Amino acid sequence: EVQLMESGGGLVKPGGSLRLSCAASGFMFSSYTMNWVRQAPGKGLEWVSSISASSSYIYYADSVRGRLTISRDNVRNSLHLQMNSLRAEDTAVYFCVREKESHQYGSGWLVWGKGTTVIVSS
Amino acid sequence: MVLTQSPGTLSLSPGERATLSCRASQSVSGNYLAWYQQKPGQAPRLLIYWASNRATGIPDRFSGSGSGTDFTLTISRLEPEDFAVYYCQQYDNSRYTFGQGTKLEIK
Repeated sequence: EVQLMESGGGLVKPGGSLRLSCAASGFMFSSYTMNWVRQAPGKGLEWVSSISASSSYIYYADSVRGRLTISRDNVRNSLHLQMNSLRAEDTAVYFCVREKESHQYGSGWLVWGKGTTVIVSS
Repeated sequence: MVLTQSPGTLSLSPGERATLSCRASQSVSGNYLAWYQQKPGQAPRLLIYWASNRATGIPDRFSGSGSGTDFTLTISRLEPEDFAVYYCQQYDNSRYTFGQGTKLEIK
């Protein structure tokens, strides 16, 4: 079964750090572009970051560039999001998402994890 | 690029036809336009990719159309399980953008 499972969320103070992880199974992880997307409470979806299959291409939303860092481990089939200098506005459910087509961007996000919640509050 | 969805809320009855709009502030290259359905407490589900292609397992009452800056998601005959929030998404110039969502509610 194709599956993504996020972990690492929690409560953190403003200015603090957190590292999210996403464990992938059931597909050839090393062939797919992966993404992080977030959803603040009661709000819509916001793309956070993307990383190509080989980590050669990495992109960030302007709102997180310089504070959040995406990475992947194709041996351990895992995706990560290192979150530094966290702000209240980073409070959201963070989803790990896989593209529909291998080695592509923009093919649609077919596989979603259930999400992990990050709360930034003093 | 900005995606604007309309209406914000659509109130319809089961069996009716739903038409949801997504307008882009500039032309969507390669028709990289997708539609998602999200129910409360769940992750979104991919319905339509590349503007008009149904994802695997999506009922044929869902259809996508459009090109350039104007895109439409049509649900031909609403089923009770279709009442949810719908988002459009585009990919361009190494970034993704979502519309603000349309809430489809039971009238």
